Amino acid sequence: GAVVSQHPSRVICKSGTSVKIECRSLDFQATTMFWYRQFPKQSLMLMATSNEGSKATYEQGVEKDKFLINHASLTLSTLTVTSAHPEDSSFYICSARGPGRGNEQFFGPGTRLTVL
Amino acid sequence: GQNIDQPTEMTATEGAIVQINCTYQTSGFNGLFWYQQHAGEAPTFLSYNVLDGLEEKGRFSSFLSRSKGYSYLLLKELQMKDSASYLCAVSGAGNMLTFGGGTRLMVKP
Repeated sequence: GAVVSQHPSRVICKSGTSVKIECRSLDFQATTMFWYRQFPKQSLMLMATSNEGSKATYEQGVEKDKFLINHASLTLSTLTVTSAHPEDSSFYICSARGPGRGNEQFFGPGTRLTVL
Repeated sequence: GQNIDQPTEMTATEGAIVQINCTYQTSGFNGLFWYQQHAGEAPTFLSYNVLDGLEEKGRFSSFLSRSKGYSYLLLKELQMKDSASYLCAVSGAGNMLTFGGGTRLMVKP
């Protein structure tokens, strides 16, 4: 149990375009979902936390108008990178946490974004 | 604030034992996690400690001392496939996870 999927696994886009990444909890209800970004040889940095049905809470330094997060249901959260630029190229990982599962976060497989 | 420190890189020999240390200073403490991450993949859960002491799970063990803000991950009988990054993460206020920089472990024959 506790499987989290992400789609797409890999995306290449042109500078200036927008990219949407989906994160789904497949076998549990995720009351909270987290979005992380990881640059090469660095650790995971939390970008934002989203609770179902409410606005996401962004970490300091993360532009909420550039990284749009929607957590419309208990099984789906989306991250949209708007007007992507090469410096947004990174590994984006979501995780989910649900009731009855303590404070453990279950991670998706990640999405590799490359902006040309 | 949150501060989590772990060595950047370690090298060990196949079949040996290696200990990866993690020290932390956080506001609030709801447990400490260790994750394994292979290049280009998401982290996978290894262990969780919330009480002081040693948790053993097969070849992997994790230790926690809350008074010292210290944990270690012990890997026994190292295999080549254990070459990966090992991430220490503390669950703090609001059960938010803060990750250390990760330790890249290289296992050599």
